[in-house]
Amino acid sequence: DSGVTQTPKHLITATGQRVTLRCSPRSGDLSVYWYQQSLDQGLQFLIQYYNGEERAKGNILERFSAQQFPDLHSELNLSSLELGDSALYFCASSVGTVGDEQFFGPGTRLTVL
Amino acid sequence: GDSVTQMEGPVTLSEEAFLTINCTYTATGYPSLFWYVQYPGEGLQLLLKATKADDKGSNKGFEATYRKETTSFHLEKGSVQVSDSAVYFCALSDPLGATGANSKLTFGKGITLSVRP
Repeated sequence: DSGVTQTPKHLITATGQRVTLRCSPRSGDLSVYWYQQSLDQGLQFLIQYYNGEERAKGNILERFSAQQFPDLHSELNLSSLELGDSALYFCASSVGTVGDEQFFGPGTRLTVL
Repeated sequence: GDSVTQMEGPVTLSEEAFLTINCTYTATGYPSLFWYVQYPGEGLQLLLKATKADDKGSNKGFEATYRKETTSFHLEKGSVQVSDSAVYFCALSDPLGATGANSKLTFGKGITLSVRP
């Protein structure tokens, strides 16, 4: 158990819909990262927050957005869903220092029908 | 930009065989290097890491040495077990890359290892 929790575990929805994925980091970790794992693209970095502020953006679509709240949990919002958004979405957390270890949650499996 | 290249898979070995999984990288600055493992149905777990040239990371019988001259971080294990069957990802974190002072991980495509009894 990494100490990072993600909800829900599975999500099935239809094209055009909007969903919210939730992540609670390990106690004491200030950085939260979101990654997408798909068969064709592999594991890709989406976005990072540090202590409530956006720190870095990767290959995140404009239809996707995220935020980190004062209690440090984070939410990833996916809207106008397409079939190609079906993937495993991982959240990771770290203390926040450069080069430190990231601890990954169990992931949310999103299926768009 | 940063990139990680892993050897093509999948790899199937018999128990107690020697394992090598190749990994090379391209980075702007002086990256930290990682191997993560993903067991079926689970999230990623850090297997080992190295933060500077010539460092050797080791854990659970696995080893990898940070080779700056060959930009490589190959994973090795002398004797694999059935329980090592998983997907292995090589990754780097480059704090001095184009995106500035952050710790995002850039992953290779991953390789599936299956170990037969």
